[in-house]
Amino acid sequence: AQSVAQPEDQVNVAEGNPLTVKCTYSVSGNPYLFWYVQYPNRGLQFLLKYITGDNLVKGSYGFEAEFNKSQTSFHLKKPSALVSDSALYFCAVRDGRLTGGGNKLTFGTGTQLKVEL
Amino acid sequence: GAGVSQSPSNKVTEKGKDVELRCDPISGHTALYWYRQSLGQGLEFLIYFQGNSAPDKSGLPSDRFSAERTGGSVSTLTIQRTQQEDSAVYLCASSLMIAEQYFGPGTRLTVT
Repeated sequence: AQSVAQPEDQVNVAEGNPLTVKCTYSVSGNPYLFWYVQYPNRGLQFLLKYITGDNLVKGSYGFEAEFNKSQTSFHLKKPSALVSDSALYFCAVRDGRLTGGGNKLTFGTGTQLKVEL
Repeated sequence: GAGVSQSPSNKVTEKGKDVELRCDPISGHTALYWYRQSLGQGLEFLIYFQGNSAPDKSGLPSDRFSAERTGGSVSTLTIQRTQQEDSAVYLCASSLMIAEQYFGPGTRLTVT
């Protein structure tokens, strides 16, 4: 079974400050990890992914995430937050094994990011 | 290019009625997924189609739920005899084999 934990329901940060949204995962095989963002009354938008290679992954809108295998974490980061980054962020994992793992994503419960002036 | 589209965007139905939700995936994407997002909940996997393989129905909550994908493209999620607990946003996504999934805007279903 695969699972994702996002320990914070909400993260508040001042504009211009760095932000971190935490994610830890559990999966049998090698993890494929994803971050998505959801704005109000919108579908999910893909931000970035880790499949293999460099542990630091860069994505859309200046976001990046660091894969840490020993800590089974994939925290989302941004050096300088913007008010427009305020949204609901979801971490997701799938089992990297192609056989039997399918392509089903397991999502965390989401973290509401609020960036204030 | 065109993204994933879903219709209707909103659906209000009476308890006990059947509903059909439609998804048009991105052209060329071989995989299609349905998820459900309930108020205050995360995303719950429902069903997954990959090419001509048998769908993975492991997430369907009851036998009132079914889905089909015709011609490897458009998909319809059907909920029979709707219940109030079926009220949620139903999200469709599509992808190439192992790539990231792209989501549609969702259908908000309200069962009264």
